[in-house]
Amino acid sequence: GENVEQHPSTLSVQEGDSAVIKCTYSDSASNYFPWYKQELGKRPQLIIDIRSNVGEKKDQRIAVTLNKTAKHFSLHITETQPEDSAVYFCAASEGQGGKLIFGQGTELSVKP
Amino acid sequence: GAVVSQHPSRVICKSGTSVKIECRSLDFQATTMFWYRQFPKQSLMLMATSNEGSKATYEQGVEKDKFLINHASLTLSTLTVTSAHPEDSSFYICSALGVSTEAFFGQGTRLTVV
Repeated sequence: GENVEQHPSTLSVQEGDSAVIKCTYSDSASNYFPWYKQELGKRPQLIIDIRSNVGEKKDQRIAVTLNKTAKHFSLHITETQPEDSAVYFCAASEGQGGKLIFGQGTELSVKP
Repeated sequence: GAVVSQHPSRVICKSGTSVKIECRSLDFQATTMFWYRQFPKQSLMLMATSNEGSKATYEQGVEKDKFLINHASLTLSTLTVTSAHPEDSSFYICSALGVSTEAFFGQGTRLTVV
């Protein structure tokens, strides 16, 4: 089955700096890669996603890149703000109807 | 986005009792629902996949007789933790899938077994 590895487990940046979180996946059949932000005790919130027919997607300060050949995808947050502090999870699935397999999570801390 | 409601948000139960958690899709029909468990400072671990009108598919290592899943309608799935023990204490989250690829999550249930 699918296995998703996520790094780093913790990341601390200064406000205004960029943050990058990386994930690798094992199943070449996976074709949908969402990223979630989770605050303590709350549900995961989808922040951006990418499908395997696209190499990069951007939404304001957030971007995701996908390298299908290498089976890795990354989340980039620019101009970080303290409110970006949370745990971020990557995930992979086989698209329509497919179950999501999550990475281990990255605790991002943005220091003012 | 679509709304998924999960109840209760918190429950404390005695060891040996059973607890039922409900997951409802409020404004769309969910052909598939997923149940996850999340221990403190850990990731979401998929427990089972539930399709309306059929038996749930459980992930390896998840006891189907302990975690009973029922998906009787296109808007409701339930997870019953039977004979709960303290090690079952966790955050349980459901997600529902409609016609799009995006999965919508419930707000989660914090289960504490004492």
